[in-house]
Amino acid sequence: ETGVTQSPTHLIKTRGQQVTLRCSSQSGHNTVSWYQQALGQGPQFIFQYYREEENGRGNFPPRFSGLQFPNYSSELNVNALELDDSALYLCASSLGSSGGETQYFGPGTRLLVL
Amino acid sequence: AQSVTQLDSHVSVSEGTPVLLRCNYSSSYSPSLFWYVQHPNKGLQLLLKYTSAATLVKGINGFEAEFKKSETSFHLTKPSAHMSDAAEYFCVVRHQIYGNKLVFGAGTILRVKS
Repeated sequence: ETGVTQSPTHLIKTRGQQVTLRCSSQSGHNTVSWYQQALGQGPQFIFQYYREEENGRGNFPPRFSGLQFPNYSSELNVNALELDDSALYLCASSLGSSGGETQYFGPGTRLLVL
Repeated sequence: AQSVTQLDSHVSVSEGTPVLLRCNYSSSYSPSLFWYVQHPNKGLQLLLKYTSAATLVKGINGFEAEFKKSETSFHLTKPSAHMSDAAEYFCVVRHQIYGNKLVFGAGTILRVKS
């Protein structure tokens, strides 16, 4: 088990609503990355936060936004939810952001949009 | 751009027989490659990583992978399958420019028969 935790574990929302997902990074890690894993697919990179600043973004619209706090925990916010946003959302923490570090994943939050 | 192709969506083996999960990569540069495993309702766990050192990489739980540049392959093997190996396996390449971004394959579901 990694030290990365995510909450909630499951969530059901309706189309048009907003959602906030949370991630606590492993002790000592200063970088958090978020991924979306749709059913039957591999995870896709949403964005990364390093020392409270966004440090890279994938092909996701601006309604996907995030925050990182001074304790390096992080939030993923999704506005105006669409049915296709239904997925497993994974966060991963690492020490550093240069790419040479191993990313440790949490168990994920499963979001269902109705 | 970097990408990985996992050649089999499902692999079925009998307990005690060898495991082979195939992965081809595409990269303009010397890539960093990983294999992650995902058990049901659990997060992704790193099995092993290749970062331009030895071409034969040993990982956890008896898994290993060999980097073959001439074949652009990074296949995952294990001499003898165990029931607990049943899971989904992802081949991953680190994005060369955005080094913090991991690019995942579509995954291979490994079934182990008793």
